[in-house]
Amino acid sequence: EIVMTQSPATLSVSPGERVNISCRASQSVSSNLAWYRQKPGQAPRLLIYGASIRATGFPARFSGSGSGTDFTLTISSLQSEDFAVYYCQQYDKWPPAFGQGTKVEIK
Amino acid sequence: QVQLQESGPGLVKPSETLSLTCTVSGGSVSRGSYFWSWVRKPPGKPLEWIGEMYFSGDTNYSPSLKSRVTISADTSKNQFSLNLTSVTAADTAVYYCARALHTSPFGLVPLGFWGQGTLVTVSS
Repeated sequence: EIVMTQSPATLSVSPGERVNISCRASQSVSSNLAWYRQKPGQAPRLLIYGASIRATGFPARFSGSGSGTDFTLTISSLQSEDFAVYYCQQYDKWPPAFGQGTKVEIK
Repeated sequence: QVQLQESGPGLVKPSETLSLTCTVSGGSVSRGSYFWSWVRKPPGKPLEWIGEMYFSGDTNYSPSLKSRVTISADTSKNQFSLNLTSVTAADTAVYYCARALHTSPFGLVPLGFWGQGTLVTVSS
């Protein structure tokens, strides 16, 4: 099974700052990598898929990059609604696997 | 737009069977070539993919849960269900039902639509 490792586990950030979240796969997943945002008390919401394709409803401040085993989610200027937990997920090989999550909190 | 809603008991005793239902509106579980999935989030732990069901009824399950999981559909009610047998405290989690973002006959598609989730606690 593929193991997904995210870093850091927690990010303390001020509004307006730039955020980079890393996700590493234990073997290549090509570009079959998704990112989800989960706010407290809510379901996860698909943010990025195909490693770099923004899902419907998300603004351009969100971007994804990478392929193979190393991926990055970038938020160019953090807004208040972006304080949440972010998960990466590979869907290249069964079973699909999530990373452990990165919590973005207010500094 | 498709919407999903989980329902079922919030408390299950150890060794018993956890049964949840996902009611779908704005789409059909028996048409459209979509996969319908269950995912859970135990407290303090990351998301875990439980399994999925194709519109045809074919299923895929997580290897770690395969011996205890069944996902099935009631097409007359446009619902699909999760049964997890022999539960323990480790099965305490928020359970989500979800649908694949797009059609695919092979599975392995990101989850584009989610229910709000339901907390199931395993305790005597």
